[in-house]
Amino acid sequence: TAGITQAPTSQILAAGRSMTLRCTQDMRHNAMYWYRQDLGLGLRLIHYSNTAGTTGKGEVPDGYSVSRANTDDFPLTLASAVPSQTSVYFCASSSGSGANVLTFGAGSRLTVL
Amino acid sequence: AQRVTQPEKLLSVFKGAPVELKCNYSYSGSPELFWYVQYSRQRLQLLLRHISRESIKGFTADLNKGETSFHLKKPFAQEEDSAMYYCAHRSDMRFGAGTRLTVKP
Repeated sequence: TAGITQAPTSQILAAGRSMTLRCTQDMRHNAMYWYRQDLGLGLRLIHYSNTAGTTGKGEVPDGYSVSRANTDDFPLTLASAVPSQTSVYFCASSSGSGANVLTFGAGSRLTVL
Repeated sequence: AQRVTQPEKLLSVFKGAPVELKCNYSYSGSPELFWYVQYSRQRLQLLLRHISRESIKGFTADLNKGETSFHLKKPFAQEEDSAMYYCAHRSDMRFGAGTRLTVKP
C-alpha cells in the first residue's frame, strides 16, 4: 500500500541518548514534515523539507535535526534526548503544490526517561 | 504571529445534536484552511478543505473572513464522529491545538 512508513512504532530512550526516527514515503511527494503531538498542544511542526536537499525549521525545532538526501526519506534525529521530548511523532508528506493535502504516517511514540 | 486557534480542547454532545467545532485564524490575505480528523487507532486524514466547499460525512465548514473563522459544523452528530479534529493552514502547514469531540449515545 502506497503511503508513509515510520519506524520505530514505539521506543523508550534514556535521557542523553541519541535517536533517529525514520520516515519513508513512496508517493514521490516533494514536501515532507515532522510534527509532534502533545496533549493540549495539538500538532506542532518541528522541521519541514519542501524538496530534496532543502530543510527548514518549524515551530519547535530545538533539540531536533533533519536531513533530506533524497525524495523518499526524511529522518528526524534527537542528538541528546530530554524528557520533554516524550511525545508522539508524526511524519507527513504532500505534493507541495495544488491542494497540498498532507498524508500522514502512523506515528512513532517516544518516551524519554 | 500567524496562527490557527481552536479554543475548545474538549467538546461533548449527544447523538443527534448539532455540533460546531471552532477554528479562528490570524493569517492575512486569502487564507486556505483545512480540517483534519484522527479517529481512534487511525491515521490523521483530511476531512475537508474550504476551497472545495464540499460536505464530507455530513460536515461542512465555511470561511468567514469577517470573523476570521472556519468553524466545522454538522447538524446531527453520530457516535462515529467521535475523534480528534484539527484545523490547519495550507501555507505553512501549521495546526491548531485540536478539539476532541465525544458523541454520547
